[in-house]
Amino acid sequence: DGGITQSPKYLFRKEGQNVTLSCEQNLNHDAMYWYRQDPGQGLRLIYYSQIVNDFQKGDIAEGYSVSREKKESFPLTVTSAQKNPTAFYLCASSVDSDTGELFFGEGSRLTVL
Amino acid sequence: GNSVTQMEGPVTLSEEAFLTINCTYTATGYPSLFWYVQYPGEGLQLLLKATKADDKGSNKGFEATYRKETTSFHLEKGSVQVSDSAVYFCALKKGNKLVFGAGTILRVKS
Repeated sequence: DGGITQSPKYLFRKEGQNVTLSCEQNLNHDAMYWYRQDPGQGLRLIYYSQIVNDFQKGDIAEGYSVSREKKESFPLTVTSAQKNPTAFYLCASSVDSDTGELFFGEGSRLTVL
Repeated sequence: GNSVTQMEGPVTLSEEAFLTINCTYTATGYPSLFWYVQYPGEGLQLLLKATKADDKGSNKGFEATYRKETTSFHLEKGSVQVSDSAVYFCALKKGNKLVFGAGTILRVKS
């Protein structure tokens, strides 16, 4: 089945630790995205990538980093510089960056203790 | 800047009731408009879309019409089911980014 796989589904970390969230897609999509979801705030764009080896900052990139070394993979690292990292993180992909039809993974819930 | 405003929830309805979730947007030009749905424990799924003024998007009994005059894209369904309980997000696309509203929780009671 084609789709997007995020892992882990739940993650607990201590303050000051970097964590990496995995996102893999087998849809052969060029574009990939990371969103953060907080209660009452909808989804906010962290980073996006239109093509392999290229990515751009979204609206709330501070404290996060990404890489896009392979078409299928777009991992997100939440660094210790992110002031409020506890949130639900959603990865998405689309055929290209022109379409608004995004396919989402099931999300990763990060809790920083 | 570009933004989307949705009615606050939660919206609680009985089965077979009529549903309206309001969505208005602020944007320069004519963005494409979308409704996404998030069922419990899942990621978002595209529900419907409209790309120009007066277009009507429809899917699974849901409809929304792109109204340029009122900058709105309200979601409607004539008869909701318990299985429609979810969070609904309105979104607009400008350039290569999607901008989402805060989401509206819908609860349908049997």
